[in-house]
Amino acid sequence: ETGVTQTPRHLVMGMTNKKSLKCEQHLGHNAMYWYKQSAKKPLELMFVYSLEERVENNSVPSRFSPECPNSSHLFLHLHTLQPEDSALYLCASSQEPSGRGWGYEQFFGPGTRLTVL
Amino acid sequence: QKEVEQNSGPLSVPEGAIASLNCTYSDRGSQSFFWYRQYSGKSPELIMFIYSNGDKEDGRFTAQLNKASQYVSLLIRDSQPSDSATYLCAVTGNQFYFGTGTSLTVIP
Repeated sequence: ETGVTQTPRHLVMGMTNKKSLKCEQHLGHNAMYWYKQSAKKPLELMFVYSLEERVENNSVPSRFSPECPNSSHLFLHLHTLQPEDSALYLCASSQEPSGRGWGYEQFFGPGTRLTVL
Repeated sequence: QKEVEQNSGPLSVPEGAIASLNCTYSDRGSQSFFWYRQYSGKSPELIMFIYSNGDKEDGRFTAQLNKASQYVSLLIRDSQPSDSATYLCAVTGNQFYFGTGTSLTVIP
């Protein structure tokens, strides 16, 4: 595997389900990100992990719960989602010299297309 | 005011022409500027980055940065149908901000 991988690529879930999205980066980077991309809207930064510590949480509803067990893996746990949460969820990674969490180019995974019924 | 603004387009240019994509940003302290290309249904891929005022060329692509005007642009020379995609401008300051993207169609 190379680059940034995400699983699953497609997910359909009901509002009462619990599911998790997985991201793995094979680039040796020290920062990882979750983004949400909805139609006609800019990429929305959800969470940033730098050196495995969460450094950014952009007022994301608590039904989204991130987990970063190590610098190569990032999860997004989902529960009791709403239909408006249907979107493309993108994971990205970057190498930040200061561990601050932004500034250098980010490499994206292929995304998970989530549909909430 | 949006952090990063782009004309959503769509922008249509004939094959072989120059495509010009523009982006303005609000944070004067922004330090790094990126252009990503996103094909329909795919994730963004980095095509250019620029940190200093002036032009930076890479093949058919030229990024131009003017910090005084808070303006960054991307020129694509000899446009090809394969360049048809959405182009996202991204700027870092306090955070990594993306614009909504400009849809480009290159007509054969």
